Parts: sequence; structure tokens; C-alpha cells
Amino acid sequence: DVKVTQSSRYLVKRTGEKVFLECVQDMDHENMFWYRQDPGLGLRLIYFSYDVKMKEKGDIPEGYSVSREKKERFSLILESASTNQTSMYLCASSLFGYGIGTSGFHQPQHFGDGTRLSIL
Amino acid sequence: AQTVTQSQPEMSVQEAETVTLSCTYDTSESDYYLFWYKQPPSRQMILVIRQEAYKQQNATENRFSVNFQKAAKSFSLKISDSQLGDAAMYFCAYRSSSNQFYFGTGTSLTVIP
Repeated sequence: DVKVTQSSRYLVKRTGEKVFLECVQDMDHENMFWYRQDPGLGLRLIYFSYDVKMKEKGDIPEGYSVSREKKERFSLILESASTNQTSMYLCASSLFGYGIGTSGFHQPQHFGDGTRLSIL
Repeated sequence: AQTVTQSQPEMSVQEAETVTLSCTYDTSESDYYLFWYKQPPSRQMILVIRQEAYKQQNATENRFSVNFQKAAKSFSLKISDSQLGDAAMYFCAYRSSSNQFYFGTGTSLTVIP
């Protein structure tokens, strides 16, 4: 089974701190994603990456950056944490799909347990 | 960009009864995949069922089935013989040809004993 591991289940930080959230997957997936989950808003994509050193902005990238130096690891960075970044953060990975009928395209995302981040 | 809409923030069902969760989406693509995910309280998001857009036959997985209406861009989830363990947040998701996944806002399902 695919395992996606997020470094912390719960995290409390202070306003202005630089915060690192780590995510590691063990199935050699090309795609990795960072989402933010808030009640009533569902999952909102922050950043995703389809290869090492590649990154694409999602819907809400402001205040965040990412790093993907190795295929299995995708880090989310809050440059200067603010209280409105208090949320649940979900990491996910998936195979890269080249189109319908190709290997990987029908595969779903696999999620980590999530990190509940509180900024005080 | 694709959008996914779940119009029912909350649903409830009596144990052993059947419930249907709604999902609609908007896209100009002809080839894509649709998924339903389940997120139990304080637990990991897991896949429930998937549907290929080019297949007319509705997907089924044990007590879970979908009603996929491509022309209407509708993808509802039916849970039969509901069990207490089905209580969770359910998310509908769309996978595009660009490898992005788009999620709805979720439906919180309560199962009443």
C-alpha cells in the first residue's frame, strides 16, 4: 500500500515564525500536492509538483512556498506564519498520468493523515 | 478551470437505509476521471470509488455505487445498507488531463442508529 507520511499531526507556532511541513511518500509517485482544508471550503490546492524541482501554483499560493529536492519528499513552507494560516494541511501523492488509457491516469491520490496547524 | 459542486453540506441516514450524495462538475474536457473520497473524523482521506468518463457503465464497489450522467455532468454516490462506520465527510473529486485534482466542498454524512 502507498504510504504518505506527514511529519507532524499537530503543530503550534507563533505569528511571524517560519514553518516547515514535511511530506514523504514511498511509492515513487511523480505528483505531489499540498492542500489546505477548512470547514465549508473543502480542499484548496496550495501547490503541486509533478517532478523533482518542479512546482506549480495552485489556487491559494500566497504566503506559502514549496520545495521538492527529492522525488519522495515535498515540503510546504510558511514564510512568515500568520493567524489566518491556522488550518488542516493535507499532503497527497499520485502517479503521473499521460492521458486516458495510460498507466497512472486512473489512479487516485493518496493522502497523509494531515497536520493540524495552529498559529498563535 | 474545472469546478466541482456538492450542494448538500450535511446529510443523515438511518442505519441499514440507502442514501445518495450529489455531485456536479463543470468541464470542457471529454476525458477525465471522477472519484469519491471518504474522510472519517480525525482520520485519513481514503478512496471510495472511481469512474472513468469514457465508460458508460456505472462503477460499483460493494455497498457503494455511482450514478454517472456525463451529459448532465453529474456524479452521485449511493450508499446502500448504511452502517455506522459510513459516517464521515465525503468529497467528490475530478481528475483532469493536466494531472490536477479538483474537489467539492464535502458532504458530512451522519448515520443514525
